[in-house]
Amino acid sequence: AQSVAQPEDQVNVAEGNPLTVKCTYSVSGNPYLFWYVQYPNRGLQFLLKYITGDNLVKGSYGFEAEFNKSQTSFHLKKPSALVSDSALYFCAVRDYTAAGNKLTFGGGTRVLVKP
Amino acid sequence: SAVISQKPSRDICQRGTSLTIQCQVDSQVTMMFWYRQQPGQSLTLIATANQGSEATYESGFVIDKFPISRPNLTFSTLTVSNLSPEDSSIYLCSVDLSDGYGYTFGSGTRLTVV
Repeated sequence: AQSVAQPEDQVNVAEGNPLTVKCTYSVSGNPYLFWYVQYPNRGLQFLLKYITGDNLVKGSYGFEAEFNKSQTSFHLKKPSALVSDSALYFCAVRDYTAAGNKLTFGGGTRVLVKP
Repeated sequence: SAVISQKPSRDICQRGTSLTIQCQVDSQVTMMFWYRQQPGQSLTLIATANQGSEATYESGFVIDKFPISRPNLTFSTLTVSNLSPEDSSIYLCSVDLSDGYGYTFGSGTRLTVV
């Protein structure tokens, strides 16, 4: 089975500083990787995905992620964090089952951006 | 991307009762997914629902506790039966249109069992 891990439960960053949220993956074959964000009392919002192609993927709200095959990582980044980026971030991988292609999520990382 | 309408957005239920959650998609989709997010936790897949067949449940989830209906290609319901406080969670439905927007999620149903 495919899996992803988010080693940090929480990341604190000052507004205007770079933001990085870490994700590592364990898959057989080529990985399909995703990042989602969850704001309080709201559902999950899609940020970006990697399927193939360029290792640097650009997504919504100024976020990007870098796929690194040798380090099996897919870290989410933003050059300059905003207070409004404070939320819960999930890394996910597409997992192949007999029932369908489901998403398997990491444990989540809470991001707190301080003014 | 798909638009998913999920109802109710929240509910407070007595233990021993049941809650049925509805998920309506604005496009026809083959598979719909139901997830549970326990307080402070990540998302866990409950089951995959295909139209016209029985849902496929993940390890640890059973049909008697989480019956699912999938009457057509745009609609599904998840029932959480015989509620206990441990069922207090957010429940989300999801679809994949393979349209470049990844998997789309409903806004979730926050269930509190008292």
